[in-house]
Formats: sequence, structure tokens, C-alpha cells
Amino acid sequence: EVQLQQSGPELRRPGSSVKLSCKASGYSITDYLMHWVKHRPEHGLEWIGWIDPEDGETKYAQKFQSKATLTADTSSNTAYMQLSSLTSEDTATYFCARGASYYYDGWGQGVMVTVSS
Amino acid sequence: EIVLTQSPTTMAASPGEKVTLTCRASSSVSYMHWYQQRSGASPKLWIYETSKLASGVPNRFSGSGSGTSYSLTINSMETEDAATYYCQQGSSYPPTFGGGTKLELK
Repeated sequence: EVQLQQSGPELRRPGSSVKLSCKASGYSITDYLMHWVKHRPEHGLEWIGWIDPEDGETKYAQKFQSKATLTADTSSNTAYMQLSSLTSEDTATYFCARGASYYYDGWGQGVMVTVSS
Repeated sequence: EIVLTQSPTTMAASPGEKVTLTCRASSSVSYMHWYQQRSGASPKLWIYETSKLASGVPNRFSGSGSGTSYSLTINSMETEDAATYYCQQGSSYPPTFGGGTKLELK
């Protein structure tokens, strides 16, 4: 069974950064792309980007190019997303999701990031 | 990017009622995928490649459509079907999601 376990909620000051983790079990992360998705209730779901953990290749949505950095550690079967220069617009729930073809067949439980002074 | 517009935004259905949710794309896409998200939970793949049910999804659900118009149908509404449903396209970069339809129990 595919399981994606994400790290706990984060509270950060504006201008700081945060690194979120997504530990996979039930499969090897090198076998699938790992995607990240942002959720704000008033804005719906937004695709941030993906990483191919096998070779580290990444692709980002244009609006997240300078905001998010995706990495992966194959030894621990874990994917990471770092968000930089945080603003209130980054307050959201972030999901990691396993990419199967052009859809997502497994999702983490989500992590709430709150940016507040 | 392709904009997906879901309708209705919110609806309520009685047990046993037939329900149809719609997703329209701003440009033609090859497939549409659907996710169910219950309150406080993460999205779950529900229907993929327009009409294929994900593992564990009851067969009262079905998906159809082509081009710019897609739909998810529940043959007979049940209590456990109350949730928000999102459509998603991956045919064109970047992948995009619809705004969701919140389906409530009447």
C-alpha cells in the first residue's frame, strides 16, 4: 500500500523559509515522480511542481519557480520541498502526491504552513 | 494554462438521487481525472483517464466526456458520497485543477 507521511504543521515569520518532508513507504520513490500541490480554500488546488527522485530532475509551475525548491533523498525514500521568502500568500496546506502518468494516485496527509508575524 | 470550471460550486442531494457534476476546460484535453476530498482529509484519486474507477471506488460512480466537457455521475447518492470533488487535467502543462464541487447530503 502506498503511504506518504508528511511532516508536522509549521509556523514561520514573513521572510523566512521552511522545508517540508514527505516520506514514502510501500514503494521506492525512484519509481515515480513526486508532485507537490498547494491548497487554500479560497483558491482551490494549485500544482507546484514535480521531482524525479531517480535523477533529481525537477519541473515547476512558473509562479513557483523562485518560491519552491524540490529535492529527494533516495536513501531515506523521502522527498522535500523548501519554500523561501515566505509571505502571507504562502499560508496554505501543502500536499505531496505520487505521480502516475498524468494524475496522482497517492497523497500525503498534508501539512499546514502558517506565515505570521 | 488550461482553466477548469466546475459546476455547480455547491449542491445538495438526497439519498438515492442521481447526481451529475460537470467540469469544463478552456481548451480541449485528452483525459480528465477526478478526486474526492472529505472534510479534513487529503484528496483521493477517484476517477482517472475520464472513466476508470480508482481502486475501491463504488460502481455507482461513473465518468464520461471528451474535448472540453466532462462529468462525474453518481447513480444513486449515498451518505458517504458527501465530499468535495475536484477535476484535474494533465494533458497540458501546467497541470490544473478545477475549483471543486461541494456535494452535501440533503
